Amino acid sequence: NAGVTQTPKFQVLKTGQSMTLQCAQDMNHEYMSWYRQDPGMGLRLIHYSVGAGITDQGEVPNGYNVSRSTTEDFPLRLLSAAPSQTSVYFCASSLSPGTGNYGYTFGSGTRLTVV
Amino acid sequence: AQSVSQHNHHVILSEAASLELGCNYSYGGTVNLFWYVQYPGQHLQLLLKYFSGDPLVKGIKGFEAEFIKSKFSFNLRKPSVQWSDTAEYFCAVIWLDDTDKLIFGTGTRLQVFP
Repeated sequence: NAGVTQTPKFQVLKTGQSMTLQCAQDMNHEYMSWYRQDPGMGLRLIHYSVGAGITDQGEVPNGYNVSRSTTEDFPLRLLSAAPSQTSVYFCASSLSPGTGNYGYTFGSGTRLTVV
Repeated sequence: AQSVSQHNHHVILSEAASLELGCNYSYGGTVNLFWYVQYPGQHLQLLLKYFSGDPLVKGIKGFEAEFIKSKFSFNLRKPSVQWSDTAEYFCAVIWLDDTDKLIFGTGTRLQVFP
């Protein structure tokens, strides 16, 4: 099925470990974003990309890196995990604003626990 | 700075009651507006969106929203809620003449009792 695929669905990390959350979409969307969801704080934008080779910081970028080498993939890297990064992470993709019937499609999320 | 405010953090209603959830954004310009719903344990689904034209937008499941440009608001309404509407609701905004980032409000948790 077409959509946004996130892996893994669950992950437990030890403080200081690094890991990459994967996100892939098969809808040829230019825009891709990473959010984290924490209780009472809604979804906060970590990093986003408006096309291959272009990334920018969102509201809470510290501790995370991204790259966009292809249109389809937008991995999120945690460089040195901290307990404050325990959260649910959502990847989303969209056509560029103003393009047809655009709107963000969200993946099913990755629940990350850092101990 | 870009921000989205949802003043109702937790709303409790009985079935058949009417619903209105507030959403305000920080400043004007050209905006695209969205309401998303997240059912327990699930990811976000689009309820409705506003790009331009008629400021009263109808979405799925009987929801509608009204864009009031002068008030920087995009409130969500439903005339008669059902138990199945129990979920968390998020307002989100893109400022098109700024950064094209989709910014979310903090969400409103809706509980509907039979």
